[in-house]
Amino acid sequence: GENVEQHPSTLSVQEGDSAVIKCTYSDSASNYFPWYKQELGKRPQLIIDIRSNVGEKKDQRIAVTLNKTAKHFSLHITETQPEDSAVYFCAASMRGGGNKLTFGTGTQLKVEL
Amino acid sequence: DGGITQSPKYLFRKEGQNVTLSCEQNLNHDAMYWYRQDPGQGLRLIYYSQIVNDFQKGDIAEGYSVSREKKESFPLTVTSAQKNPTAFYLCASSIAGQDGELFFGEGSRLTVL
Repeated sequence: GENVEQHPSTLSVQEGDSAVIKCTYSDSASNYFPWYKQELGKRPQLIIDIRSNVGEKKDQRIAVTLNKTAKHFSLHITETQPEDSAVYFCAASMRGGGNKLTFGTGTQLKVEL
Repeated sequence: DGGITQSPKYLFRKEGQNVTLSCEQNLNHDAMYWYRQDPGQGLRLIYYSQIVNDFQKGDIAEGYSVSREKKESFPLTVTSAQKNPTAFYLCASSIAGQDGELFFGEGSRLTVL
């Protein structure tokens, strides 16, 4: 089945700096790659997603890039703010569709003042 | 107020007892999912259902059972056969038949004593 690796497991940045989280996947048939943010004690929420026919997608301070050849995708957060502090999960769709996702192990992002 | 509701939020049980976690949604979604979240392991798929009266095993279904008798409801039973049941359980729903946003509940934390 699909395997998703996520790095780093923890990331600390100064407010205003950029943060980058990287994920690799194993199944070349995966075609949907969402990113979820989970604040402490809260439910995961979708922040951005990308499909395999697109190389990059941006939404205000958040962007995701996808390299299908290398089978990796990345989340970029610019001008980080304290409210960006959370755990971020990448995911890839499993073969067979049906919105079944394999998640990465998460990145704890801490934005320091 | 549309959404997905899990109960109870916290649950303590003795070893050897079965326990059922409730998940209800009023989003009119056909697809529902159960994920297990453990520290450092991300979210792992237990069971999913694309339509009423049908469900499939995910990656870690052993020791769990589900039912889908109503569109709105997808309860998860953690049986005594689950070797390590202490975890945080997340229910989610989505539009069926396409990759897209998962809407998560707030989770249920099960502790087996």
